[in-house]
Amino acid sequence: KAGVTQTPRYLIKTRGQQVTLSCSPISGHRSVSWYQQTPGQGLQFLFEYFSETQRNKGNFPGRFSGRQFSNSRSEMNVSTLELGDSALYLCASSRGSGPDTQYFGPGTRLTVL
Amino acid sequence: AQSVTQLGSHVSVSEGALVLLRCNYSSSVPPYLFWYVQYPNQGLQLLLKYTTGATLVKGINGFEAEFKKSETSFHLTKPSAHMSDAAEYFCAVSGSNAGKSTFGDGTTLTVKP
Repeated sequence: KAGVTQTPRYLIKTRGQQVTLSCSPISGHRSVSWYQQTPGQGLQFLFEYFSETQRNKGNFPGRFSGRQFSNSRSEMNVSTLELGDSALYLCASSRGSGPDTQYFGPGTRLTVL
Repeated sequence: AQSVTQLGSHVSVSEGALVLLRCNYSSSVPPYLFWYVQYPNQGLQLLLKYTTGATLVKGINGFEAEFKKSETSFHLTKPSAHMSDAAEYFCAVSGSNAGKSTFGDGTTLTVKP
């Protein structure tokens, strides 16, 4: 079956702009988690959506938001971009129960100039 | 609260040698533990996971890990390294929901011919 897809794969924005990233989970998966990966901070949990509801949230400012649609596809939005938002943004999908395996997409590499 | 410490940000071994990547965790609840591998410009792929039961867990590509509660460790091993094992490896811990995982800083494995 098809894996997790993320679009776009690469994105260049300037400070102050906003950006929307998209994640399509594996068919049948109801949970989508988002992570930010940077050389300095490593992999950090942003939030998790399950059945269109935010189930968990990490320690990121309110400029980072997300949503999930009825077909489980998810988007995350970052407003008022800062240079420090440059990162690889990874999404992962799972069935959403307990230790279910998370399947990661290839990521969206965001560069903020 | 949960945390993961990976000892050694870089590990170098010769082809055919033992691979040992160290991971210690902290968790206030019974943990689920994971090892992931990341190749350049790709997302993360699950190598293996510990949930409950047998403490020696076997994964893909010949990797295995042993959960030692008394030592709060979950070290990853492989008896004989291959060139294709060169990548970055992440240890992760979660509580009741793997969708909110906490990752270590990663260990880059180099395999010398």
